[in-house]
Amino acid sequence: DTGVSQDPRHKITKRGQNVTFRCDPISEHNRLYWYRQTLGQGPEFLTYFQNEAQLEKSRLLSDRFSAERPKGSFSTLEIQRTEQGDSAMYLCASSYGTHGADTQYFGPGTRLTVL
Amino acid sequence: QKEVEQDPGPLSVPEGAIVSLNCTYSNSAFQYFMWYRQYSRKGPELLMYTYSSGNKEDGRFTAQVDKSSKYISLFIRDSQPSDSATYLCAMSGDTGGFKTIFGAGTRLFVKA
Repeated sequence: DTGVSQDPRHKITKRGQNVTFRCDPISEHNRLYWYRQTLGQGPEFLTYFQNEAQLEKSRLLSDRFSAERPKGSFSTLEIQRTEQGDSAMYLCASSYGTHGADTQYFGPGTRLTVL
Repeated sequence: QKEVEQDPGPLSVPEGAIVSLNCTYSNSAFQYFMWYRQYSRKGPELLMYTYSSGNKEDGRFTAQVDKSSKYISLFIRDSQPSDSATYLCAMSGDTGGFKTIFGAGTRLFVKA
C-alpha cells in the first residue's frame, strides 16, 4: 500500500497525559501536513514540513503541541498535558509539488479522546 | 470572522439535480482554490483546484473562482447518490507557502 498511514487509529487518554501520533507519508513526498478536525468542521491547519524543515505553524497551536519530521520521512505529533478540548481527529497529509495547490493525500486519521 | 465561510448544510437534492456549493473568504491574498470531498470516517480527497480567477471543468464537476467578490463555487451536474459526502473548499498561497485553510464543509445528500 503506497498511501499515507497513521498510527494509532484511535487513542483514549486521561487528561494531563502526553500522547504521540505517527504519520508515514507517501514515499518521496516532500511536504507533510498536520490538521485537526472536529465534528462538523473542516480540517484545521496545524503545521507543515517541507522535507525535514517545519516551515509554518498555526498561531492557534499552543506550546503543548510539537511536531517533528526527522530525515524528512515520517513525522510525529506530540501533545503534552492533554486537555479535553484536544479531543479530535488528527489528520496527516502529504504532497509533492512546487506550487500551493499540489494534491494533498490524506491518511485515515488518529481519533483522540481525552477523558 | 473566519477566513473561509462555508454553509454546513445539510443540502438534500434528488438524483440528477444540479448542485451548487459555495464559499466566501476574506483574505484577498489567497491564490489557489481547491475543492475536497470527504466521505464519512475517511480523509478528504482532492476533487479540483483552480489558480486565481476563472472556471475549470472536469467531467460532471465545474469549479468557479471570482476573486473580485472573494467567492468560489463548485457545481455538480447530474448528481448521483455516490456524490453524497461532505464537500470542503480550501485555499492556500497567501503567504507564499503551502498553508491550506479549509472551510467547514457542506454535507450533501443525493436521494435516489
